[in-house]
Amino acid sequence: QSVVTQPPSASGTPGQRVTISCSGSSSNIGSNTVNWYQHLPGTAPKLLIYSNNQRPSGVPDRFSGSKSGTSASLAISGLQSEDEADYYCAAWDDSLKGVVFGGGTKLTVL
Amino acid sequence: EVQLVESGGGLVKPGGSLRLSCAASGFTFSSYSMNWVRQAPGTGLEWVSSISGTSSYIYYADSVKGRFTISRDNAKRSLYLQMSSLRAEDTAVYYCARSVMYQPSDYWGQGTLVTVSS
Repeated sequence: QSVVTQPPSASGTPGQRVTISCSGSSSNIGSNTVNWYQHLPGTAPKLLIYSNNQRPSGVPDRFSGSKSGTSASLAISGLQSEDEADYYCAAWDDSLKGVVFGGGTKLTVL
Repeated sequence: EVQLVESGGGLVKPGGSLRLSCAASGFTFSSYSMNWVRQAPGTGLEWVSSISGTSSYIYYADSVKGRFTISRDNAKRSLYLQMSSLRAEDTAVYYCARSVMYQPSDYWGQGTLVTVSS
């Protein structure tokens, strides 16, 4: 069981806005920054959001991140079929002395 | 362009050993921490180990502590993971990933598959 909790699945129709939550604790999300990744099977995970709400160059502004207390969230607006993938949040954990990942959320575009 | 290329995966018997390598290019290797992250079949991403740029700080997940050893050679721009006493539950795709210490990774390699089976 992951130290950081994500919903196992999410779905939306093209053009819709979807939000994925990530719930942690004071030792991880509460005291460190959060990254979000998009992962397709057989490929390298792709960084979507770093430092809670920053987008790397090349990532569309349809993707946005936020953090409040011990929780974070990823929002995807204008949903597209190519957004169908697994999404993970991650943060350093001061108690475990390592990176903790959420369990992952499988996004389906209906 | 940042590139990370893993190698060394394969089929190994329970109790056996394997050494993974990761060749880095496109950035100042010694300035970054490096990490190994794995994904077992049907499961999510699991952090395995991190090493700082000068190898001064090394951390392991409890699941591999005492069995796996992370190291790096900055002159060769390479990261390694020596895995011993392998178990079936170590079967996974192993990713090499770059980061700043105490933060999650930004760039990742394509991964190398390790299968532990008799």
